[in-house]
Amino acid sequence: KAGVTQTPRYLIKTRGQQVTLSCSPISGHRSVSWYQQTPGQGLQFLFEYFSETQRNKGNFPGRFSGRQFSNSRSEMNVSTLELGDSALYLCASSWSGGGYEQYFGPGTRLTVT
Amino acid sequence: ELKVEQNPLFLSMQEGKNYTIYCNYSTTSDRLYWYRQDPGKSLESLFVLLSNGAVKQEGRLMASLDTKARLSTLHITAAVHDLSATYFCAVDMSNRDDKIIFGKGTRLHILP
Repeated sequence: KAGVTQTPRYLIKTRGQQVTLSCSPISGHRSVSWYQQTPGQGLQFLFEYFSETQRNKGNFPGRFSGRQFSNSRSEMNVSTLELGDSALYLCASSWSGGGYEQYFGPGTRLTVT
Repeated sequence: ELKVEQNPLFLSMQEGKNYTIYCNYSTTSDRLYWYRQDPGKSLESLFVLLSNGAVKQEGRLMASLDTKARLSTLHITAAVHDLSATYFCAVDMSNRDDKIIFGKGTRLHILP
């Protein structure tokens, strides 16, 4: 069974640009969650999608958005990038979200210069 | 403000010893997760604890949850070098927008 995949794995952008990250969940999983990991703030929840609907959203500005497609693949978009957006972005999939084991992808390392 | 506090944040221990990592949280929840992260890697799910009194064991690791005390523990028995990693607890606030709040992590270094 293939694991969670994320593309791209590494990305370098400049301030003001926008970026789109992609996550393909494990087959059969309908919930995809996104997290940001930085040395200063640690791991922070961004949002969760289930059956193409955003079910929960963390405390991030509106520059951070996401969506989920009918095949459960998910994308997150960050507009008007800031230096502080440099982080490891992780997505995780689970069968149905809360209470179910989450499987994490390898992450996308975003560097904003 | 919802807080999830892990302690210790750093632990260096000898192989063969036992130790416990503590995860305290500040509001009601009956869902808690433990994860492991190796340097430069993603997170690996270790335990899903879904009720008060839940206890789960895998190899040398055992996790428990006391929802009344708002406390979870991760106990390491007879540590081996391969267990060196950073361990995170995360509290699931399914009824809140924040959804999942992570602790800062415990960096465990096991000396051979």
